Formats: sequence, C-alpha cells, structure tokens
Amino acid sequence: AQSVSQHNHHVILSEAASLELGCNYSYGGTVNLFWYVQYPGQHLQLLLKYFSGDPLVKGIKGFEAEFIKSKFSFNLRKPSVQWSDTAEYFCAVRRGGNKLTFGTGTQLKVEL
Amino acid sequence: GAGVSQSPRYKVAKRGQDVALRCDPISGHVSLFWYQQALGQGPEFLTYFQNEAQLDKSGLPSDRFFAERPEGSVSTLKIQRTQQEDSAVYLCASSARPGRRNYGYTFGSGTRLTVV
Repeated sequence: AQSVSQHNHHVILSEAASLELGCNYSYGGTVNLFWYVQYPGQHLQLLLKYFSGDPLVKGIKGFEAEFIKSKFSFNLRKPSVQWSDTAEYFCAVRRGGNKLTFGTGTQLKVEL
Repeated sequence: GAGVSQSPRYKVAKRGQDVALRCDPISGHVSLFWYQQALGQGPEFLTYFQNEAQLDKSGLPSDRFFAERPEGSVSTLKIQRTQQEDSAVYLCASSARPGRRNYGYTFGSGTRLTVV
C-alpha cells in the first residue's frame, strides 16, 4: 500500500527561523509529489509540485522542496518563516492513476 | 465558478440518518475526486470521476457510501445510515483534463459532517 510519512506532527518556530518539514514515501517507481497548505478556516492550496526535471522545486510564498530519489524524500523548506505561515502542511504523492495519497500533516505555528 | 464549491459547509446528522453532500467543481474540469479527512489525519481518497464515469471507488469505506456525477458536472456524495465513525470533513477536488502532464487539483472548503 502507498504510504506517505510526515514525521513532524507539530512544529513551533519563531519568526525569521528556517523551516524544514520532512516527507518520505514508501514505494519506488515514478512519482509525482506535492505540498499543500491549509491556512486556518481555508481550503487546501497547492504550494508546489514536482513531476520531473530539476529536483529542487520552487513554489509560492518563498517555499521550496527538494526531491531526493535515493532517500524517497520530498522535504519542504523556507529560509525565513513569517507569522502568516502558521498553517497545516500536507505532503502528497501520486503514483500512476489520478488519486493523491496524503501524509498526516504537520501543524506549523510561527510565533512573533 | 472560480473555485470548487461544496455545500452544506456544516452538517449535523443523527446516527442512522441519510445525508447528501454536494460538490460544484470548476467549470470544465473533467476529473472530480472525493476525499475524507478525519480529525488529525490527512485526506484519504474515496472515489474518482472522469466526466460522469466513476472510474475508481476503491476508497469508499462501505456500501453505505455512494457517489454520483450524472451529467459530468455537479457531484453528490451520499452516506446512508450514518454512524459516528463517519464524522469527518469531506473534501471535493477537481482537475482539468486527465493525462495531461502537470495538471493540478483544486480543493473545495469541505463539508464538516458530525454524526451524533
């Protein structure tokens, strides 16, 4: 069965701190990778996605993610977080077909 | 419309009651998905439509769950004889033509179902 792991369930950072959220998946072969964000009271929004090519993907709001095939990882990073980045972040994988398999999410709280 | 619209936003049902949840996808989007998000969990796939055809319903947890998209646009997720474990947020997502590389998914705000 497809499995997507997000090991950090809750992360608390101060403004301007650097962020890295881990995402690992459990199967080989060709995959498409996504990070979604859900701000309080809002719907899931796409931050960035990887299909092929440069393994370092840049998304909206200064976020980036690196696909490391040998480690089955797609970690999300941001050099300097802002209070407005407080949200829940979900990693998702698509392996063939059309459906996404999501991780359990990481709740990020950024303190002033 | 500009986004995926779901209604109602909140639904409280008594155990054993039937419920119907509606999704209006983005106009012209061929693919439509339903996901279930339990508290503290990520969304889990329920079913997938391409136009009016239900191509994958492997995620539906029981035969109490039924989804339809008769005209390839609006979709309804129906849950019969609701049980407490059905309490969750039900998310709808749509995407443009399948098979096209780099197509993305747009999610609705979801329907929060509470079964009491």
